[in-house]
Amino acid sequence: KQEVTQIPAALSVPEGENLVLNCSFTDSAIYNLQWFRQDPGKGLTSLLLIQSSQREQTSGRLNASLDKSSGRSTLYIAASQPGDSATYLCAVSLPAGRRALTFGSGTRLQVQP
Amino acid sequence: DVKVTQSSRYLVKRTGEKVFLECVQDMDHENMFWYRQDPGLGLRLIYFSYDVKMKEKGDIPEGYSVSREKKERFSLILESASTNQTSMYLCASSLVGRGTEAFFGQGTRLTVV
Repeated sequence: KQEVTQIPAALSVPEGENLVLNCSFTDSAIYNLQWFRQDPGKGLTSLLLIQSSQREQTSGRLNASLDKSSGRSTLYIAASQPGDSATYLCAVSLPAGRRALTFGSGTRLQVQP
Repeated sequence: DVKVTQSSRYLVKRTGEKVFLECVQDMDHENMFWYRQDPGLGLRLIYFSYDVKMKEKGDIPEGYSVSREKKERFSLILESASTNQTSMYLCASSLVGRGTEAFFGQGTRLTVV
């Protein structure tokens, strides 16, 4: 059974810092990996999708990388801002069977002004 | 923009009531999902549907059923609500195929008293 782990569980940084969030998964035969953002009490907002054949994706100040063979992904946030404060979740889907996502437990990020 | 809309942001229901949570998507997505999110347990898949009238159990289907009579609408039904079903419920949709993002609704916070 696929398991997804995110480290650290919580992170507090001063504004302007570059930071890395980590995601690892136990079954490397994934179909997609997706990073989401969740604000308190709200739904999930998709940030980046990486297909299994890709190594990275970029959107603005965000860069996500994927190393399927080692079962790892990182989300890099450049020049962090207080508005980046949220919980970040990674999720993977498997090629076979249902394509539902399996989620990590998230990293709660606080960017201090 | 893809839109996934859940019928209620907040619901309070009594133990034993039959509860309907509605979700509508406007992008002609084949896949639709229901998750629940609880502190310390993360997001867990309840049911998913890959076509009209087609459904598949997720990891925690007990106490729930679903209905998908039209492609754009996916309903989650709590047959007899219990206090342990107090949770945040999240609906999502996606296209079939590689490289397709999952999009989430804003969530329904259900409290069963």
